[in-house]
Amino acid sequence: DADVTQTPRNRITKTGKRIMLECSQTKGHDRMYWYRQDPGLGLRLIYYSFDVKDINKGEISDGYSVSRQAQAKFSLSLESAIPNQTALYFCATSARDRAETQYFGPGTRLLVL
Amino acid sequence: GQQLNQSPQSMFIQEGEDVSMNCTSSSIFNTWLWYKQEPGEGPVLLIALYKAGELTSNGRLTAQFGITRKDSFLNISASIPSDVGIYFCAGQTNTDKLIFGTGTRLQVFP
Repeated sequence: DADVTQTPRNRITKTGKRIMLECSQTKGHDRMYWYRQDPGLGLRLIYYSFDVKDINKGEISDGYSVSRQAQAKFSLSLESAIPNQTALYFCATSARDRAETQYFGPGTRLLVL
Repeated sequence: GQQLNQSPQSMFIQEGEDVSMNCTSSSIFNTWLWYKQEPGEGPVLLIALYKAGELTSNGRLTAQFGITRKDSFLNISASIPSDVGIYFCAGQTNTDKLIFGTGTRLQVFP
């Protein structure tokens, strides 16, 4: 079984809808991250969490919110989706003492119409 | 925000050729990383560099941490079809976040 799983893998939604992307990990890591990937722009950090009670904004947090429900679960919400949020979204985890080694999930491809 | 610039953006090479790509930053990093993303998957760490001037290999891959701490290089020798993917550099900030580069897409033709 994969160590970092994301659901759904693909999602089509309409402008204005609220959607949630979920991430679960079995690696026992404290730290979890959400990134979005756009062609030519690489991976950009949306939110990150270093512990269950810790939530931090990344470089592109506007329009997104997160919830760290447990050590193993970190979900990303789009409160009111807009077309320029169409992207590939990745969740990642890392251990506290090896933060440079991030383990990524398989990604969620989101299309906002 | 901070951004790392990678070049080239894409490469189309023949199997057996060597590949070179680089990454530059306007900021200094204490740790440089190279990740590879295969089609349909998330990125995977290939090499981590912890000291300016460091040269580290992982099989046919060799990466170097630039002396100015503002750049890094990745070389792949004798490329094979499974080298296909997007290669990302990343710098680790002093708050443990990673700043990723824009990526180099590699295609290898037999």
